[in-house]
Amino acid sequence: AQTVTQSQPEMSVQEAETVTLSCTYDTSESDYYLFWYKQPPSRQMILVIRQEAYKQQNATENRFSVNFQKAAKSFSLKISDSQLGDAAMYFCAYRRGETSGSRLTFGEGTQLTVNP
Amino acid sequence: DGGITQSPKYLFRKEGQNVTLSCEQNLNHDAMYWYRQDPGQGLRLIYYSQIVNDFQKGDIAEGYSVSREKKESFPLTVTSAQKNPTAFYLCASSIYTPAPYGYTFGSGTRLTVV
Repeated sequence: AQTVTQSQPEMSVQEAETVTLSCTYDTSESDYYLFWYKQPPSRQMILVIRQEAYKQQNATENRFSVNFQKAAKSFSLKISDSQLGDAAMYFCAYRRGETSGSRLTFGEGTQLTVNP
Repeated sequence: DGGITQSPKYLFRKEGQNVTLSCEQNLNHDAMYWYRQDPGQGLRLIYYSQIVNDFQKGDIAEGYSVSREKKESFPLTVTSAQKNPTAFYLCASSIYTPAPYGYTFGSGTRLTVV
């Protein structure tokens, strides 16, 4: 079974600084997708960024980028120029690629605090 | 606008009662999912359905039941057999074909046993 681990229950960053959230996963599959979701205090889950395992290039979405290390099974999220609105719970998630409608497996989450 | 609607936002259950959480989507998504969220445990899969009239158990299905009679609807019943139902429940949907898509989530239902 696939597992996703986020080893940092809490992180904090100063406004305008950069922070990196860690995620590791365990799988025997070669085709899969990885995601970072953000859950602000409203508790609405918001997709931040996604990465296809077959792509070597790291995904980037504005201030958000990932460091995808397939051999190490590591998928960290870097937030640049942190803003107060980035404060939220962040979840890393894994999805198999070859099975239609396959489920997402989530990590335990990292609570990010942004200090003004 | 397309999206997923969960209702009610807050729900209170007495001991021994069954309660049903509603989840409706107008995204024309084939697959729908129910997750439970507890502090420090992330999201755990309860049930999921890939097509109408079919559904599968997730990791923590005991004490829960679902139905999928329509593509748009995937209600979750929390039965009296669920011993610790107080949690935040999230419904989600996705397209069926293999693709680098995540889920679209509803806004959740907070269930409390009183």
